[in-house]
Amino acid sequence: NAGVMQNPRHLVRRRGQEARLRCSPMKGHSHVYWYRQLPEEGLKFMVYLQKENIIDESGMPKERFSAEFPKEGPSILRIQQVVRGDSAAYFCASSPQAASNTEAFFGQGTRLTVV
Amino acid sequence: QQQVKQSPQSLIVQKGGISIINCAYENTAFDYFPWYQQFPGKGPALLIAIRPDVSEKKEGRFTISFNKSAKQFSLHIMDSQPGDSATYFCAAHYGGSQGNLIFGKGTKLSVKP
Repeated sequence: NAGVMQNPRHLVRRRGQEARLRCSPMKGHSHVYWYRQLPEEGLKFMVYLQKENIIDESGMPKERFSAEFPKEGPSILRIQQVVRGDSAAYFCASSPQAASNTEAFFGQGTRLTVV
Repeated sequence: QQQVKQSPQSLIVQKGGISIINCAYENTAFDYFPWYQQFPGKGPALLIAIRPDVSEKKEGRFTISFNKSAKQFSLHIMDSQPGDSATYFCAAHYGGSQGNLIFGKGTKLSVKP
């Protein structure tokens, strides 16, 4: 039973390029959460999605960032026109229900470096 | 206030000792308090969690103590081992349907042999 799969594990982008981060939740999980972790910091919530719906995007920057979780396929976090400040580890978590009712399992993260 | 304050930032403990990490919160709407363990290069993994109607929860060497009136909770690691060396995060879930967790800034634990 595979866990939460994120790819790529490491991603290097030049300033101005687009970054696409993928997250395949655990089997049977329909709730997906994206978090960002800066060095020496805790995880900051970005967005919460269920299949085809964004439930809460209160942690998403207003510009350049978007997320989707289509009916088929992985959840995608897209960062357009990346800047150096976007360099961070991005973690995806999934749960079968809302995270207050059950454990949310985290993937191993995508480490984005903007050069 | 949507914050969870965690201390200390780093902790060094001798093998066999007790590691204690503290967290404090302001928002009484938080309804679920998990602790996560993270090794370098890995994602956070749930260690133990508690709800505010319970004052203590123990799983093996790990214990959460919860003080609802003081709005504080702590993680105790008994008989600490070098393999426990990792970064520990406390978190809180804001009650409601949003589902997201608010994380503390983490405590880097080093257990010396």
